[in-house]
Amino acid sequence: DIVMTQSPDSLAVSLGERATINCRSSQSVLYSSNNKNYLAWYQQKPGQPPKLLIYWASTRDSGVPDRFSCSGSGTDFTLTISSLQAEDVAVYYCQQYLITPYTFGQGTKLEIK
Amino acid sequence: EVQLVESGGGLVQPGGSLRLSCAASGFTFSSYWMHWVRQAPGKGLVWVSRILRDGSSTNYADSVKGRFTISRDNAKNTLYLHMNSLRAEDTAVYYCARVLSGHGDYPFDSWGQGTLVTVSS
Repeated sequence: DIVMTQSPDSLAVSLGERATINCRSSQSVLYSSNNKNYLAWYQQKPGQPPKLLIYWASTRDSGVPDRFSCSGSGTDFTLTISSLQAEDVAVYYCQQYLITPYTFGQGTKLEIK
Repeated sequence: EVQLVESGGGLVQPGGSLRLSCAASGFTFSSYWMHWVRQAPGKGLVWVSRILRDGSSTNYADSVKGRFTISRDNAKNTLYLHMNSLRAEDTAVYYCARVLSGHGDYPFDSWGQGTLVTVSS
């Protein structure tokens, strides 16, 4: 199985400041045949199901604000929120969907400082 | 509007069985691979199972293999998860999820609200 490891486990950032969450996979999630990284990011707020933010490691889902971005390739990825808003308080998960089992990271809890 | 509505959760004793349902609407259900994902109370997301569009192929997490069965009825636009030999560690909210684009390895762009399964004596 591909193990997904996020860091940090929790993060407190001031409103308007940048938040950065890292995700590392135990093996590459880059598929050479199409040069795509099978890496997604989700946001989950309390009592709600997860919401897809980013897929193919860098493509924002429809309606996702452009303050959310992701960089990286292969095994190392970074989710960045450029200017933290109050509504961004949530738990963030990375996920690989290259092969089953589609594994998730353990989650990073983002709070306001 | 895409809607996924799970049902069938509840309290069950260890060793018992339960069948979860996920009613889909707002899209052509038969055109999409579907998944189940679970989340134990206060814990992270764990992928459980996948089924292809026509039900011809299924995959399972090792932790549920041999005990859980995923199926679908495309005529009823409904996804199922049959759970047998339930254990305390199966206690979780179970979500059904649709892939972003029909068939293939894609992330999950639509999720239900989840149904809680509690395994306890």
